[in-house]
Amino acid sequence: EPEVTQTPSHQVTQMGQEVILRCVPISNHLYFYWYRQILGQKVEFLVSFYNNEISEKSEIFDDQFSVERPDGSNFTLKIRSTKLEDSAMYFCASSSVGLTDTQYFGPGTRLTVL
Amino acid sequence: AQSVTQPDIHITVSEGASLELRCNYSYGATPYLFWYVQSPGQGLQLLLKYFSGDTLVQGIKGFEAEFKRSQSSFNLRKPSVHWSDAAEYFCAVGANSGYGNKLVFGAGTILRVKS
Repeated sequence: EPEVTQTPSHQVTQMGQEVILRCVPISNHLYFYWYRQILGQKVEFLVSFYNNEISEKSEIFDDQFSVERPDGSNFTLKIRSTKLEDSAMYFCASSSVGLTDTQYFGPGTRLTVL
Repeated sequence: AQSVTQPDIHITVSEGASLELRCNYSYGATPYLFWYVQSPGQGLQLLLKYFSGDTLVQGIKGFEAEFKRSQSSFNLRKPSVHWSDAAEYFCAVGANSGYGNKLVFGAGTILRVKS
């Protein structure tokens, strides 16, 4: 069964450093998402991406964040200058159709900012 | 704005007992509703979803959920819980997001199963 994969599973970085979280969505999917979950809090929507551009972003997704689909398979989330409060589990998801389709989630990347 | 409330943070049930996890949503239009499960160290796995039609939906692993528009609820049920059901359960509402469908999640309910 196809699945969404994410690398690395755990990333530790120093405050102010740039990090790139990588995702490989399911191959025939067209819609891509990033969510995050701060420890003990809700899973929160960050950004949706379709047709090589951002469809919607939350207020969390400020200028420090960017997303890219650099090739036909990867979908990346970059945090330009990490802050302590960026420590969270980051989930990538993908779906084949937008509004009425299931989003399939990856296992997540735990980001720890020291 | 869309929101989801899961009133129970933790629930403990005995193996073999029935289970109901509560979910209330707030959304102005017809909601698209989902239940996901997360086992430790795993991603979010879809249990079931409701888009339209029959208000009682069946999912994987013997779970079902009933959409009640009058109560703005989408409670998850299972008639007989197995130890392997211990996990965290998230209710979510799909909100139209440009070309996509962002999910708004509840805070989750942690299910413990005692033998």
